[in-house]
Amino acid sequence: AQSVTQLDSHVSVSEGTPVLLRCNYSSSYSPSLFWYVQHPNKGLQLLLKYTSAATLVKGINGFEAEFKKSETSFHLTKPSAHMSDAAEYFCVVSVNSGTYKYIFGTGTRLKVLA
Amino acid sequence: EAGVAQSPRYKIIEKRQSVAFWCNPISGHATLYWYQQILGQGPKLLIQFQNNGVVDDSQLPKDRFSAERLKGVDSTLKIQPAKLEDSAVYLCASIHMRGGELFFGSGTQLSVL
Repeated sequence: AQSVTQLDSHVSVSEGTPVLLRCNYSSSYSPSLFWYVQHPNKGLQLLLKYTSAATLVKGINGFEAEFKKSETSFHLTKPSAHMSDAAEYFCVVSVNSGTYKYIFGTGTRLKVLA
Repeated sequence: EAGVAQSPRYKIIEKRQSVAFWCNPISGHATLYWYQQILGQGPKLLIQFQNNGVVDDSQLPKDRFSAERLKGVDSTLKIQPAKLEDSAVYLCASIHMRGGELFFGSGTQLSVL
């Protein structure tokens, strides 16, 4: 069965410090992996996606993620947090098990302290 | 390119009433998804359409929820009768290619009193 685990429900960082949001997945197939961001009262926006090309994926707003098959991980990082990064972040795995399903993690709420 | 359109943006109803949500995906997107997002949780798939056919409705509470996509374009999701636990944001999403990026609408925030 396919699943996604976001290891931290809440992360707090100071402005200007690095961000690390952790995601582990389980899949019987070669997955596509995504990170989405959701600002308060806003829709879900794609940050970045991995689809079996380069393992280090760069996204919008300075975010990047590295696909590590041996660790079944797809952690999201950013070198320096900005106040505007405060939001909910979702790790998503897409698997083709006859139909394309998109399975969401439970989310990580990022708080950025001034 | 226009995005995924959803309406209404907000809806407040009393329990046991009925409600309907509408979604128009991005033009040309054959696959459409409806998700339910309860406060503090990740989106949960309710139903997936490929053109006008249902490919996955295993998590749709069929005793009260129904959905259709008659012409393979826009879709409606209905709840009848609503329960308090149906209070959530209902998200519509579509994809251009299988395994590609999900494009989301702004969602409909439902409050059941």
